[in-house]
Amino acid sequence: ELKVEQNPLFLSMQEGKNYTIYCNYSTTSDRLYWYRQDPGKSLESLFVLLSNGAVKQEGRLMASLDTKARLSTLHITAAVHDLSATYFCAVEDTVDSNYQLIWGAGTKLIIKP
Amino acid sequence: GAVVSQHPSRVICKSGTSVKIECRSLDFQATTMFWYRQFPKQSLMLMATSNEGSKATYEQGVEKDKFLINHASLTLSTLTVTSAHPEDSSFYICSATAGGSHDTQYFGPGTRLTVL
Repeated sequence: ELKVEQNPLFLSMQEGKNYTIYCNYSTTSDRLYWYRQDPGKSLESLFVLLSNGAVKQEGRLMASLDTKARLSTLHITAAVHDLSATYFCAVEDTVDSNYQLIWGAGTKLIIKP
Repeated sequence: GAVVSQHPSRVICKSGTSVKIECRSLDFQATTMFWYRQFPKQSLMLMATSNEGSKATYEQGVEKDKFLINHASLTLSTLTVTSAHPEDSSFYICSATAGGSHDTQYFGPGTRLTVL
């Protein structure tokens, strides 16, 4: 059974700082997604990572995937207040459940001005 | 592109009534749609997967007679919460893919259901 763990679950940081959110998963998968959710809103797709060593960047966010370590990271560079949100990783289960997404618990990120 | 809408965005109903939530793909044909519910401060929980023209596949523990899903066309899926109770209050989110379940999911804006 595929399990996905995110950490930290909560992160409070100052503007201008760098930080990394980690997403570990337990079995082989071909796809990993990062989503952002603002309070009371739905999910916004940030990145989809498809292969080992994949790195994608959008603004101050950069996501990477190491399939051998079963680890993805979401790195925030020089954080700004607008990046405050909850970030979810989701891993596609290609073994047990016909490509269902297995979700991490989410990381609530608060960036203080 | 890849816009998914949901209607209504918020609904308040009395216990025992039924509520229908619509999920539409606006600019693509959605072969597969997913229905999730999310409790406050928690992650998403998949309720069911529906493919156009066929019966939905429900996740373990989800009552199919209570949560009726219809995926009648390639752009519309509906979730009907029958005989709603306060414990059904939640944030319901749909998502859709153009290329079947093995494709990027695009999420609707969600529907906040409150059952009094």
